[in-house]
Formats: sequence, C-alpha cells, structure tokens
Amino acid sequence: SQTIHQWPATLVQPVGSPLSLECTVEGTSNPNLYWYRQAAGRGLQLLFYSVGIGQISSEVPQNLSASRPQDRQFILSSKKLLLSDSGFYLCAWSVLGLASGNTIYFGEGSWLTVV
Amino acid sequence: AQKITQTQPGMFVQEKEAVTLDCTYDTSDPSYGLFWYKQPSSGEMIFLIYQGSYDQQNATEGRYSLNFQKARKSANLVISASQLGDSAMYFCAMSRPGYSSASKIIFGSGTRLSIRP
Repeated sequence: SQTIHQWPATLVQPVGSPLSLECTVEGTSNPNLYWYRQAAGRGLQLLFYSVGIGQISSEVPQNLSASRPQDRQFILSSKKLLLSDSGFYLCAWSVLGLASGNTIYFGEGSWLTVV
Repeated sequence: AQKITQTQPGMFVQEKEAVTLDCTYDTSDPSYGLFWYKQPSSGEMIFLIYQGSYDQQNATEGRYSLNFQKARKSANLVISASQLGDSAMYFCAMSRPGYSSASKIIFGSGTRLSIRP
C-alpha cells in the first residue's frame, strides 16, 4: 500500500534562517506531488505541485521554493524565513487524473513557527 | 476562476443528530471532482468522500453522503447519526485540470463542527 511521510513534524526557526521540509512517498511510482500551507484557523493554500522529476509549478509568488530531485521525493525550501511563513505545511500525493475519482492523500503535516 | 465557498465557519450539533455542512463551488470546466476532507485537532487530513461531475447518483460512504446539486453548484456533506469523534474541521474541495495530465485540488475555508454529548 502507498504511504507518505514528511518531516520534521514541528520546528521553530528564527527569522532569516533557512528551511527544508522533506516528503517521500512509498508504494507508487510517478505520483503527482503537492505542497499546501494552512495558516492558523484557515483553509489550505496550494503552494507547489509537480508532475515529475525536476518539474515544479508554483501557484503563488512567495518566499518559498520546491524541488523534486527524485520521483518520490518532494522538498520545500526557503533561504530566509519570514514571520509570515509560519503555518502548517502539508505534503500530498495523487495518481494522475483526479477527475476520474482518484483522490489526493496527505502526509502528517509539519508545524512551522518562525520567531 | 474556480472557487469553493463554505459559509459556515462553525457549527454545534447534538450527538446522534444528522448534520449538513454547506459547500458551493464555481467553475466553468465541465469535468471536475468534488471532495470532502476531515481534519481533527491532530492536523492530519482525512479523505471522506468523492463526487464526480458526471456522476448521476449522490456519493455515499458509510455515515457520509454528498448531496450533489449540479445546477445549483452545491455539494453539501451530510453526516448521519453524528458521533463525538466527528468533531473536527471539515473542508470541501474541488479538483481542476492543471499542467499536463495532472490535476490540482483547491479547498474551501472550512467548517468547524463540534458535537455536543
């Protein structure tokens, strides 16, 4: 069966420090991969998605970047964190063709607090 | 542009009662999917139910059913016989075509459901 893991689960980082959140998927090949952010008490905002190695699409301009060095690995990064980067970050995966009923599955999430 | 709207920020329901969570959407795409997710306080996102835009019947999954009214562009979630464990944040979401053959999901702002014993 397929599983998705992301880490670290929680982190507190000072303003201006770098960030690296990692996500891996097991049990499937060539998944679509996604990074979402959820501000406190708010809905989910799609940040990045990827359909293959090295292929990244950004949904909103921001202080973050994403990379996909391997088929089942997705990394969210920042060179210098801002206070506004605080939130709950969720990695997710899906097979191709969501309209056919395949859903999107989420990792456990990472709580980021920028101080 | 596609949009998902959940107008109920919070709801309180007595245990064992049925509850309806509202969701309306806006899209010009003929093909789309509608989803509901549950997010307990732990933060994980749990998939509940899916409805395709061409599905003729309303989707059901155990105590969950999706009241799909295409002409009104609404996709309400109905939970029958609510339980204390149903207390959580609920998100309505819609898939839309994206790059290549990928699809993306956009989410509503969520409804916080609290079940009273």
